[in-house]
Amino acid sequence: AQSVTQPDIHITVSEGASLELRCNYSYGATPYLFWYVQSPGQGLQLLLKYFSGDTLVQGIKGFEAEFKRSQSSFNLRKPSVHWSDAAEYFCAVGAQANFGNEKLTFGTGTRLTIIP
Amino acid sequence: DVKVTQSSRYLVKRTGEKVFLECVQDMDHENMFWYRQDPGLGLRLIYFSYDVKMKEKGDIPEGYSVSREKKERFSLILESASTNQTSMYLCASSINREGGELFFGEGSRLTVL
Repeated sequence: AQSVTQPDIHITVSEGASLELRCNYSYGATPYLFWYVQSPGQGLQLLLKYFSGDTLVQGIKGFEAEFKRSQSSFNLRKPSVHWSDAAEYFCAVGAQANFGNEKLTFGTGTRLTIIP
Repeated sequence: DVKVTQSSRYLVKRTGEKVFLECVQDMDHENMFWYRQDPGLGLRLIYFSYDVKMKEKGDIPEGYSVSREKKERFSLILESASTNQTSMYLCASSINREGGELFFGEGSRLTVL
């Protein structure tokens, strides 16, 4: 069975500072990995995904993530955050046996607060 | 743009009532999903459907059923609502069974008294 751990429940970052959100997964084969963002009162929106190939993945809104198999990690990064990045961020893992995106397992989320 | 619409943003029901949550997508997607979101637990899959009249259980199907009579519509049914089903319910869709993006609705917050 697959699992995801987001160790940070809440992170506060100054506007303009860099950001890294941690995600660790457990899965026996090559995983399908996703980062989603949820703004207050909204549904989730895909930031980026990794299926195979280049382990550094670029997403929308200036985000990137790096798949590190040896560390079972898929951390999300942004070089300079904006106040509009305040939201909740979810990492998710899927299995090829489930067509990648069926039966996704989501982490518990990291809430990002931006201070001026 | 893909639009996933959940008909009710907020519902208040009483214990034992039958509850219907409706979801419609407008992009001819094959797959549709129902998730439940609770603080500290993230999102958990209740059911999904990969075709009309087809459904598969997710991680927490107990107490729920689903219906997909038309491709664009996926309904979540609580036959007899209980207080532990108070939660945010999120519907999502994806193009097909090739691992693509899930598009989410804005959610339905259900309170069971």
